[in-house]
Amino acid sequence: DTGVSQDPRHKITKRGQNVTFRCDPISEHNRLYWYRQTLGQGPEFLTYFQNEAQLEKSRLLSDRFSAERPKGSFSTLEIQRTEQGDSAMYLCASSLGGVAGYTFGSGTRLTVV
Amino acid sequence: KQEVTQIPAALSVPEGENLVLNCSFTDSAIYNLQWFRQDPGKGLTSLLLIQSSQREQTSGRLNASLDKSSGRSTLYIAASQPGDSATYLCAVRPGDDKIIFGKGTRLHILP
Repeated sequence: DTGVSQDPRHKITKRGQNVTFRCDPISEHNRLYWYRQTLGQGPEFLTYFQNEAQLEKSRLLSDRFSAERPKGSFSTLEIQRTEQGDSAMYLCASSLGGVAGYTFGSGTRLTVV
Repeated sequence: KQEVTQIPAALSVPEGENLVLNCSFTDSAIYNLQWFRQDPGKGLTSLLLIQSSQREQTSGRLNASLDKSSGRSTLYIAASQPGDSATYLCAVRPGDDKIIFGKGTRLHILP
């Protein structure tokens, strides 16, 4: 068990470009979550999957954001036409659901210039 | 709507002191509460998970308590060390879905 892995660790992109992040959860965890964290704030929920089904999306997740979890394994989060306000740390977590705790990855720091 | 508040927002204490971080939540109907540590620019490391039926959990110098009826949890750190300097985040799980975070307490242990 290598924990939750996120790639890349850092991404700098120009405004208007598309970016994609990847998350590999703990293999036996059926739940996968995406959060966003800006400086000085706690993480804010974006979306989550149970296996391959996307069960909830936050209103923070505008139509420029899309997340997938094909085959219920790794997940990708894509941001189209990036804006400076998208600059943040994007965190992925996995869980067994129910009363189990969450395990977070190291995050992907996005900087939009 | 569940809201999580952490007080204080920042705290500086001399090395060796015992300290308490506070977390409050507005709705007592929770599955569990989890404390995390976050170093600058890093991800979150789970410290302690308290189920709704439990009153406290301990790990080394850390002790977390939960009082569901009053909507409060505390994280007690004994004999603080400079390596404890980090942001500590409290998160509650209101149901069988997402967890909701507070804004965290930034802790600085002075050598």
